Amino acid sequence: GQSLEQPSEVTAVEGAIVQINCTYQTSGFNGLFWYQQHAGEAPTFLSYNVLDGLEEKGRFSSFLSRSKGYSYLLLKELQMKDSASYLCAVRDPPGGYNKLIFGAGTRLAVHP
Amino acid sequence: NAGVTQTPKFQVLKTGQSMTLQCAQDMNHEYMSWYRQDPGMGLRLIHYSVGAGITDQGEVPNGYNVSRSTTEDFPLRLLSAAPSQTSVYFCASSYRAGADTQYFGPGTRLTVL
Repeated sequence: GQSLEQPSEVTAVEGAIVQINCTYQTSGFNGLFWYQQHAGEAPTFLSYNVLDGLEEKGRFSSFLSRSKGYSYLLLKELQMKDSASYLCAVRDPPGGYNKLIFGAGTRLAVHP
Repeated sequence: NAGVTQTPKFQVLKTGQSMTLQCAQDMNHEYMSWYRQDPGMGLRLIHYSVGAGITDQGEVPNGYNVSRSTTEDFPLRLLSAAPSQTSVYFCASSYRAGADTQYFGPGTRLTVL
């Protein structure tokens, strides 16, 4: 089976850098997703990592280590609009029909 | 494109009532799915479909039925509502099963009294 763990809440200051972690245990592995979800809204896709290393997309970067079962989302130059929940997810079963198992999410609060 | 649309946005039911949550997408996506989201928990998959006429169960299917008669529509039916089904329901789609990106609808907030 699959399971994911994320911290429930992270706080940071506007303009700073914050890292949101996700650890997973899977019987196999075929990629890890990150979604952003603002309060009362639908999740929106941020990134998908299937190989080890860091992938950068503007202010957002996502890192994966398959050997450690670990991923993180790095947000730079934080803005107030980045206050949201960040969800990590893996496929279940690996390589299957896009059935995703989600973590409980990390709520990021950005303060002035 | 409207993307993924869901109706209604809010609904209050009494225990034992039945209802259908509507979901439609205009992107010609093969894959559609339903999730529920509860406080402190991640999204949990209820049912999914890899194409018209094909559906399968997800992680928490009990108490829900689905059908997929067209590519565009994927309604979720609550057979006999229970307070445990109070949740926010999201429909999602992707152009094919196994695609990297799923597009989510705006959600339906359901309360069962």
